[in-house]
Amino acid sequence: AQSVTQLGSHVSVSEGALVLLRCNYSSSVPPYLFWYVQYPNQGLQLLLKYTTGATLVKGINGFEAEFKKSETSFHLTKPSAHMSDAAEYFCAVSEESGYQKVTFGIGTKLQVIP
Amino acid sequence: DTGVSQDPRHKITKRGQNVTFRCDPISEHNRLYWYRQTLGQGPEFLTYFQNEAQLEKSRLLSDRFSAERPKGSFSTLEIQRTEQGDSAMYLCASSAGQWGTEAFFGQGTRLTVV
Repeated sequence: AQSVTQLGSHVSVSEGALVLLRCNYSSSVPPYLFWYVQYPNQGLQLLLKYTTGATLVKGINGFEAEFKKSETSFHLTKPSAHMSDAAEYFCAVSEESGYQKVTFGIGTKLQVIP
Repeated sequence: DTGVSQDPRHKITKRGQNVTFRCDPISEHNRLYWYRQTLGQGPEFLTYFQNEAQLEKSRLLSDRFSAERPKGSFSTLEIQRTEQGDSAMYLCASSAGQWGTEAFFGQGTRLTVV
């Protein structure tokens, strides 16, 4: 069965510092992987997704993630944090096509300190 | 605004009462999904529609829950005889059908059962 583990429910970084949000997955087949962002009182917004092909995926707002099969990881990074990046981030995995098949992690709240 | 809209945004109800939520998807999207998000957790799939047909329901969707999408446009999610455990954010999302397209989320309806 597919699953997602997000390490660190809360992460704090200084403005301008590297953002690293960790995600490890479990899947019996090559997975589809996603990162979503949720701002307070808002719905989820897709940051980026990995389906096949290039393992380094670039998303919106300067975020990127690298699919590492050997480490079963899909960590999210951004070189320089901005105050507007403060939000909750969800990693998600799916073994099959269809959003009804997506399993979300519990989320990581990112705090950006000025 | 051409995004996914949900109504109401907040609902407080007494235990045992029935509640109904509405979701208006993006107009050209034929797939509509309902998720539930409890505090400190990621979204969990409840059910989804392709046009007016309800194609899949999660085990989370007890017999107190019913969803409809009568004309393949808006959808309603009804909870009968609400329980305190039903308190959560109920998210709606829609997609254009093909797996490669993005699912867009609404802002959610936050239900509090007192």
